[in-house]
Amino acid sequence: SQQGEEDPQALSIQEGENATMNCSYKTSINNLQWYRQNSGRGLVHLILIRSNEREKHSGRLRVTLDTSKKSSSLLITASRAADTASYFCATVVSSNTGKLIFGQGTTLQVKP
Amino acid sequence: SAVISQKPSRDICQRGTSLTIQCQVDSQVTMMFWYRQQPGQSLTLIATANQGSEATYESGFVIDKFPISRPNLTFSTLTVSNMSPEDSSIYLCSGQGSYGYTFGSGTRLTVV
Repeated sequence: SQQGEEDPQALSIQEGENATMNCSYKTSINNLQWYRQNSGRGLVHLILIRSNEREKHSGRLRVTLDTSKKSSSLLITASRAADTASYFCATVVSSNTGKLIFGQGTTLQVKP
Repeated sequence: SAVISQKPSRDICQRGTSLTIQCQVDSQVTMMFWYRQQPGQSLTLIATANQGSEATYESGFVIDKFPISRPNLTFSTLTVSNMSPEDSSIYLCSGQGSYGYTFGSGTRLTVV
């Protein structure tokens, strides 16, 4: 099952520009996480934001969470060609089960 | 965080056969999960691998098709049984510990 949708599905920008990806989810959550996946292989954890947090920063990443709208956004500033990858949001609905449910993902291409 | 070794990394199999995928974690994890990622799609949770007992399957996935074992806290296997071309996907395992979640590098399965 998928938790929600991400938009855009695909994004193409020039190096140095900012990239914004949005994620919506359906149920109440414990936390929301963002992952990066290169070339359809293993995932890399980028950042976690808890349900009682509204914004979080990590290097060039900025994540916001709006629980009233059940949505989150990931901003990558000053993008680099190496940021080219697929980005997924994932939610933990219950800390008891620990299940991580993924959104549809955004494919980002950063042109040099 | 923990490191997960997943093998095989890829395989090409004949329809009607079965493939067993293994994941070994270098430290104890609380939960282990198995995901399927169909071409160009996001990750879909197959099941939670429970240590010493039957796995908990998500809707649309059944034990006869995807038997899972987890004999201890650091090892799990997923078998894809009686394969058809529709089973061609990337299969990933994940472990959850106190540090968060980590993922294996995936098994790219092609069924011919």
